[in-house]
Amino acid sequence: AQSVTQPDIHITVSEGASLELRCNYSYGATPYLFWYVQSPGQGLQLLLKYFSGDTLVQGIKGFEAEFKRSQSSFNLRKPSVHWSDAAEYFCAGTLEDTGRRALTFGSGTRLQVQP
Amino acid sequence: EADIYQTPRYLVIGTGKKITLECSQTMGHDKMYWYQQDPGMELHLIHYSYGVNSTEKGDLSSESTVSRIRTEHFPLTLESARPSHTSQYLCASSQHTGLGNNSPLHFGNGTRLTVT
Repeated sequence: AQSVTQPDIHITVSEGASLELRCNYSYGATPYLFWYVQSPGQGLQLLLKYFSGDTLVQGIKGFEAEFKRSQSSFNLRKPSVHWSDAAEYFCAGTLEDTGRRALTFGSGTRLQVQP
Repeated sequence: EADIYQTPRYLVIGTGKKITLECSQTMGHDKMYWYQQDPGMELHLIHYSYGVNSTEKGDLSSESTVSRIRTEHFPLTLESARPSHTSQYLCASSQHTGLGNNSPLHFGNGTRLTVT
């Protein structure tokens, strides 16, 4: 079945440490892929997106993600986490060829940042 | 700066009441969506619209209904609220580029609904 999977429900890192959030997809072709962040009580904000071309994409707030076709992954990274990065992160992709083109979301990873 | 607005932000209502969740966007986007999100869970698409007078049901079965009389407005209605409808409802919109699936969604801040 076509799906987007985020294996880590909850991650805690220390401020200043590096971060990697995992995302895998299951789809017969290469999907368009996105990372969104949701701060408490807020809507979703787009961090970055991958359509084609360079497999390392840069986003806002110092985030980047790397698309790896061989691993069906699109992991999100940040070299040095700030306390304000504490939030829920959603990986998403378009996994269908129909005109609807709605996103399929992963279940999210909640990031806690320790001082 | 939000270009897509949802009201109310929070709603607590009794069983059996009729409710309408409002969603408006000022970006002129053709496509609009409603997602349902339970705490800590993934988002599920419950309704979407390609444009005026076009609405379709999404992946997750929902007892709600939607309408799209104007491009900028995509309200969601529950005729008779039940406790099982307690959830967060996120509205989103995107621009039809004609180039494929590559238009990201813009999300509202959501409506957190509690049915008692």
